[in-house]
Amino acid sequence: GEDVEQSLFLSVREGDSSVINCTYTDSSSTYLYWYKQEPGAGLQLLTYIFSNMDMKQDQRLTVLLNKKDKHLSLRIADTQTGDSAIYFCAEKYSGAGSYQLTFGKGTKLSVIP
Amino acid sequence: SQTIHQWPATLVQPVGSPLSLECTVEGTSNPNLYWYRQAAGRGLQLLFYSVGIGQISSEVPQNLSASRPQDRQFILSSKKLLLSDSGFYLCAWSYREEGEQFFGPGTRLTVL
Repeated sequence: GEDVEQSLFLSVREGDSSVINCTYTDSSSTYLYWYKQEPGAGLQLLTYIFSNMDMKQDQRLTVLLNKKDKHLSLRIADTQTGDSAIYFCAEKYSGAGSYQLTFGKGTKLSVIP
Repeated sequence: SQTIHQWPATLVQPVGSPLSLECTVEGTSNPNLYWYRQAAGRGLQLLFYSVGIGQISSEVPQNLSASRPQDRQFILSSKKLLLSDSGFYLCAWSYREEGEQFFGPGTRLTVL
C-alpha cells in the first residue's frame, strides 16, 4: 500500500536553511503536500506540488520533487524560531470513492536561536 | 471563507465512559470529512471518512464509531473508552474532487 517516510527530527540554527526530506511509494500520486503543525494545534497546509513539476517556490519555501526516486523535499530559507514545528509530508491517492491522503510520521524541526 | 470547528478542545474521561466529539464545517457544501488520531510521537492515523450524509467508511477496526447526521457535521463516538484511546483527534474536510485537506484545531483526549 501507500507509504510515506520522513526522518523524525531536524535541528538547525536560526538564519540557516532547513531541508526536510520525504520519500513516498505511490508512483501514481498526482499531488504531494507539506503541512505544518505547531504545538497543540491542527495541521496547516503550507504548500503542495503537482507531480508534473520539479520545483515550486513560495517566498522562503522551496519544494523539490524527484519523481524518478519518489523523493520530495521542503527547504526553508533563513529559518526562524517561529518555524519550529512538526512538518508532515503527504501524498494524494485515490481510495474507494474518494481521494485520500497518506501522511508521514512528521519531522520535528527545532530552531536554535 | 470556510472554517472548521472542533468541540471540545480538551477532554479528560475515565476508562469505560462514553465519548462524543463534534466537528462542524462552515462555508462549503458536500465536503468530504475525515477523523484522524495522532498518538504521542506518532503520525496521523485515519480513523473514518465520509463522502456524504450517513456514509461512513472505517479505516481501522476499534471501539470508536462515527456518524454524519448533517452535511457539515461529523461526530466521533465511543460507548466505552479504553486507555489506548488517548490522543489528539483531528477533523478535516476536503472538496469532493480534491485531495487537499483542511484541518480543525483538534481535541486533546486523555483517558485515565
